[in-house]
Amino acid sequence: GEDVEQSLFLSVREGDSSVINCTYTDSSSTYLYWYKQEPGAGLQLLTYIFSNMDMKQDQRLTVLLNKKDKHLSLRIADTQTGDSAIYFCAESNQGGKLIFGQGTELSVKP
Amino acid sequence: KAGVTQTPRYLIKTRGQQVTLSCSPISGHRSVSWYQQTPGQGLQFLFEYFSETQRNKGNFPGRFSGRQFSNSRSEMNVSTLELGDSALYLCASSLEGTRSYNEQFFGPGTRLTVL
Repeated sequence: GEDVEQSLFLSVREGDSSVINCTYTDSSSTYLYWYKQEPGAGLQLLTYIFSNMDMKQDQRLTVLLNKKDKHLSLRIADTQTGDSAIYFCAESNQGGKLIFGQGTELSVKP
Repeated sequence: KAGVTQTPRYLIKTRGQQVTLSCSPISGHRSVSWYQQTPGQGLQFLFEYFSETQRNKGNFPGRFSGRQFSNSRSEMNVSTLELGDSALYLCASSLEGTRSYNEQFFGPGTRLTVL
């Protein structure tokens, strides 16, 4: 079946690193994504990783994928107050259908 | 390039009524997907349209339907509204959606409240 799980809340201090974790069940997932949602807004794609990769770095963002454990993580370096938002991981193996986790609310304290 | 637009942004209806939501994808995008977002169920996939054909469907009752026009604009309709249909309805467009990697651009959503 298709299921994606995330922890619901994370609180960090400004300047620290944030690590948001996600587990998924569908072993046929080919792409995994991280989206950000700010209050009152739609979803913004932050980054993605193909299932045959272990790691992807994009400026302050690092994605790690452990395919054996079906575990995905997003690390945000030097977290800023503007990073406060809800972060969703999502998987896909069928084009236009994304399966989302419940979202992790990141709170960054000054 | 203009982003994905959704109209209306806010809507209030009463139980038993029906509602139509509209989505205009980014110019050149041919695939439109719809999602329902609620505090309890999170983000759930409703359906995907590509070249005026429904290509994928989530686990929603038949009261939820959609269509896509030749200009790629899409509408979704919910008939016989229930209180539980209150949600943020998000539309996403992508270039073609035929490959697994398919960057979807989301609109701001339509907030539907059913009283």
